[in-house]
Amino acid sequence: IAGITQAPTSQILAAGRRMTLRCTQDMRHNAMYWYRQDLGLGLRLIHYSNTAGTTGKGEVPDGYSVSRANTDDFPLTLASAVPSQTSVYFCASSDDRLNTGELFFGEGSRLTVL
Amino acid sequence: GQNIDQPTEMTATEGAIVQINCTYQTSGFNGLFWYQQHAGEAPTFLSYNVLDGLEEKGRFSSFLSRSKGYSYLLLKELQMKDSASYLCAALDSNYQLIWGAGTKLIIKP
Repeated sequence: IAGITQAPTSQILAAGRRMTLRCTQDMRHNAMYWYRQDLGLGLRLIHYSNTAGTTGKGEVPDGYSVSRANTDDFPLTLASAVPSQTSVYFCASSDDRLNTGELFFGEGSRLTVL
Repeated sequence: GQNIDQPTEMTATEGAIVQINCTYQTSGFNGLFWYQQHAGEAPTFLSYNVLDGLEEKGRFSSFLSRSKGYSYLLLKELQMKDSASYLCAALDSNYQLIWGAGTKLIIKP
């Protein structure tokens, strides 16, 4: 299956719990991204990775961490979930720095923190 | 600050033409993207403009004016399946995408 796979697709979580959202791509793309999408707001970048072994902070990184041990996987961890992290999370990848290429998205992970 | 503005919602009739506008203010500029997002699904790429002018791709066209910080997406011969949100995003000088909140397009028979 070509593309980006996210898991879980949906999760309800108690506040204070730790949660990892998984993201795997098989397109050998260098760059990967985590976004959150909330009603009435544009997609907001949480963290990104331009290549395996490197990560960077996006617009809204607080409360989240990522790792990029290899090209294919880019998990997002919420160390101690809070209700404001209720959102739809999208993982995405691109072949380069986006100046010519498009962004490919996973199907999203809907997270509810109670 | 960096900002993308686009209408929240638009309504159009099946078979008609609709133009969705987007204005942007970014620190540097490396191109303008349009994505389509059906409800409950992931965004999918529609177009990329970096030079001024109109790019046509089937029923969809995208226009860019860099001097005005303005773009539009033109959808012709509207079909019911075109009901979706259309996201405008600008690539800034750091190659980060700045996203608009999206325009929800409702197509009526």
